[in-house]
Amino acid sequence: EVQLLESGGGLVQPGGSLRLSCAASGFTFSSYAMSWVRQAPGKGLEWVSAISGSGGSTYYADSVKGRFTISRDNSKNTLYLQMNSLRAEDTAVYYCAKAAYSSVGSGDAFDIWGQGTMVTVSS
Amino acid sequence: DIQLTQSPSFLSASVGDRVTITCRASQGISSYLAWYQQKPGKAPKLLIYAASTLQSGVPSRFSGSGSGTEFTLTISSLQPEDFATYYCQQLNSHPTFGQGTKVEIK
Repeated sequence: EVQLLESGGGLVQPGGSLRLSCAASGFTFSSYAMSWVRQAPGKGLEWVSAISGSGGSTYYADSVKGRFTISRDNSKNTLYLQMNSLRAEDTAVYYCAKAAYSSVGSGDAFDIWGQGTMVTVSS
Repeated sequence: DIQLTQSPSFLSASVGDRVTITCRASQGISSYLAWYQQKPGKAPKLLIYAASTLQSGVPSRFSGSGSGTEFTLTISSLQPEDFATYYCQQLNSHPTFGQGTKVEIK
């Protein structure tokens, strides 16, 4: 079964850091680009970052550029999001999502999503 | 960034109704558009990609159309399990989502 399982969320103070992980199973992880998408409480979906299958190309939303870093370890079938300088407006459920057909990192829909992990930034 | 505007934001409908949701892009995106369904407390589910291609396993009552800047998602006969929020997404290197359309029971 194709599955994504996020972990690492929690409560952090403004200015703090957190690293999210997304463990993948049931597919050839390195063959697909991966993304992080977040959803603030009661709000819509916001794409955060994407990475190509090889890890050689990365993309970021302007709202997180310079603060967040996406990476992947294809030997461990795991995607990461390192989040630094966290702000209250980063509070959200963070989902990892698999590109439907491509390893490129852009231009593809997301066919598999994890269950999400909650990040709360508050003092 | 490319902005997506969905209409309506809220829709009240009955089981069996035909429902249409529109998504307009701030600039042309060819057919690089997807539609998702999200139920409360759950992750989004891919329904349509490439504007009109039905994702495997999605019921045929869902269909998508459009290209360029105007797109539609149609549910031909609304079923009880279809009451949810629907999002469009444009698929360039910096994907963006529409604000969502909540479909509720009339």
